[in-house]
Amino acid sequence: QVQVVQSGAEEKMPGASVKVSCKASGYTFTDYYIYWLRQAPGQGLEWMGWINPNNGGTLYAQKFQGRVAMTRDTSISTAYMELSRLTSDDTALYFCVRDLSGRTLDLWGQGTMVTVSS
Amino acid sequence: DTVVTQSPLSLPVTPGEPASISCRSSQSVLYSNGYNYLNWFLQKPGQSPQLLIYLSSTRASGVPDRFSGSGSGTDFTLKISRVEAEDVGVYYCMQALHPPYTFGQGTKLEIK
Repeated sequence: QVQVVQSGAEEKMPGASVKVSCKASGYTFTDYYIYWLRQAPGQGLEWMGWINPNNGGTLYAQKFQGRVAMTRDTSISTAYMELSRLTSDDTALYFCVRDLSGRTLDLWGQGTMVTVSS
Repeated sequence: DTVVTQSPLSLPVTPGEPASISCRSSQSVLYSNGYNYLNWFLQKPGQSPQLLIYLSSTRASGVPDRFSGSGSGTDFTLKISRVEAEDVGVYYCMQALHPPYTFGQGTKLEIK
């Protein structure tokens, strides 16, 4: 079954970091980029960046530059998104999504809720 | 950043009737290869978004043919020829040419 499955919900204190995982199955992990997006409660969608699992190349939205790191482990077909220096504004549902080609975001994870609260 | 504007933001529709959503980008999303990098997604209540249309007018796998996308450059439209109850949710367009890739505010479709 072709799918991407994300790690479970996280609760973090302000100033902490969070690392969300995204495990791909049913297809060749290194053939397709993985995008990361987020959705604050009751809000729209926000693109954070992507990673090329083949070579680890990344592109981050400038808004998150210096605070986000997207990595991968090809041995276990898993992509990661780590966000540091968390604030309450980072409380959101985080999605990983496969780019089939040409920014065709065809396969979405179930989302990982990250809550930042003191 | 490229601003993407959708209208309307709320769309009540009677089942069996057509529906149309407009999406406007502040910059052209037409690339030199002739493709418009404009996607449409539907987020049903409590679910992850799902891809409906990519490259402005190509239906994603498994998407019913009552959904169609059109437009070029900065102006795009998603049309549903006959709305069904299962089509309720929030529709988003996304420009995928100019990083950061940006989304419209969303259009909430509800059944009358």
